[in-house]
Amino acid sequence: EIVLTQSPGTLSLSPGERATLSCRASESINGDYLAWYQHKPGQAPRLLIYDASSRATGIPDRFSGSGSGTDFIFTVSRLEPEDVAVYYCQQYGNSPRTFGQGTNLEIK
Amino acid sequence: EVQLLESGGGLVQPGGSLRLSCAASGFTFSSYTMGWVRQAPGKGLEWVSVITATGTVTAYAGSVKGRFTVSRDNSKNTLSLQMNSPRAEDTAVYYCVKSGGDTHYSPFDHWGQGALVTVSS
Repeated sequence: EIVLTQSPGTLSLSPGERATLSCRASESINGDYLAWYQHKPGQAPRLLIYDASSRATGIPDRFSGSGSGTDFIFTVSRLEPEDVAVYYCQQYGNSPRTFGQGTNLEIK
Repeated sequence: EVQLLESGGGLVQPGGSLRLSCAASGFTFSSYTMGWVRQAPGKGLEWVSVITATGTVTAYAGSVKGRFTVSRDNSKNTLSLQMNSPRAEDTAVYYCVKSGGDTHYSPFDHWGQGALVTVSS
């Protein structure tokens, strides 16, 4: 199965700063079928990005994704206090679908 | 508005059985692949199972294969997960998820609030 490794494990930034999260796959992801999810405590996870770079419905344009093959990047261009969450990447191009271990985004 | 409402969670003994259900509304249930994702305490998200729109194709994570069975009733807009012989490591919040289409190549675009399953004697 494809192993997704996310870095950093924890990211602590100030409001207005730019957050850059990485997701590296153990092998190339078919079709670049990679998604990013936001998971806040006590809430259901929310789809932010799919197919590596497409924003899901209603997601602000300060959230973006890029990459292909084995290396993918998720960016929040201007952090807001409500962006505190754990962010997961997930690949759905190969079976079984797998998730990364998550990046904990903290706001100073 | 898409709504996914899980039920059936609770305490189950190791080796027992438990059935989770997910009531779906706000979309054409019979047109979408559905599935289950879980999160153990203090851990990340883990994909568990998916089932295609017609129910003809299912897939499972290796950790649950042979013990869990996913099914759906399109006449009742309901997804189920039958958990047999659960183990302590199956303790988790189980999320019902909807795919963006009826294909393997779709992300999970809607999630339920989750149901807690605790496996303990």
